[in-house]
Amino acid sequence: QITLKESGPTLVKPTQTLTLTCTFSGFSLSNNDVGVGWIRLTPGKALEWLAVIYWDDDKRYNPSLMSRLTITKDTSKSLVVLTMTNMDPVDTATYYCAHSLYSISSFDFWGQGIPVTVSS
Amino acid sequence: DIQVTQSPSSVYASVGDRVTITCRATQGISKWIAWYQQRAGKAPQLLIYAASNLQSGVPSRFSGSGFGTDFTLTISNLQPEDFATYYCQQAHTFPYTFGQGTRLEIK
Repeated sequence: QITLKESGPTLVKPTQTLTLTCTFSGFSLSNNDVGVGWIRLTPGKALEWLAVIYWDDDKRYNPSLMSRLTITKDTSKSLVVLTMTNMDPVDTATYYCAHSLYSISSFDFWGQGIPVTVSS
Repeated sequence: DIQVTQSPSSVYASVGDRVTITCRATQGISKWIAWYQQRAGKAPQLLIYAASNLQSGVPSRFSGSGFGTDFTLTISNLQPEDFATYYCQQAHTFPYTFGQGTRLEIK
């Protein structure tokens, strides 16, 4: 059974760095084809893909945010970390991590999401 | 970036109805579209991948079709639990992009 769970702060101040951790079970990020991605849902109900990391350490970022994002994995601990620098109120959203297979390029298992508010 | 435009933005229907939601990409994406359902307060759930493949555990009243730039999600015999928001996602080229969502509401 594949499960994922996001953790991190739910309130950050403008200009701060957000660090989110996705802890997962039921699969290994060392297996071929496997990836973990991050997607956010804005207050206006728009979904935005942020980044994904694959089993071979291939990393892809949304170009609109690439200068602010870093995604890393720790296969031995079954976790993926996303950092986003220079947070702004427009980054207020619910952040999800999700399991993906490179061969189908969609997200088949999602975490419950973590709401993040950016406010001073 | 490849943009995907969903229509309609909202639709009203009754239990037992059939509903179709469309997604159009700004350039050809072969079969690489996915459809998700999001119920209020819950994470999105994958319904369809690669245009027409039903995700395991998803009821067969959900179906998808299309190729290239035009895609459809059809829900037959609507059930009460189907009233939710639906999103398409192009999975052909990074950055992956989502449609703006279609809210399916009870008439």
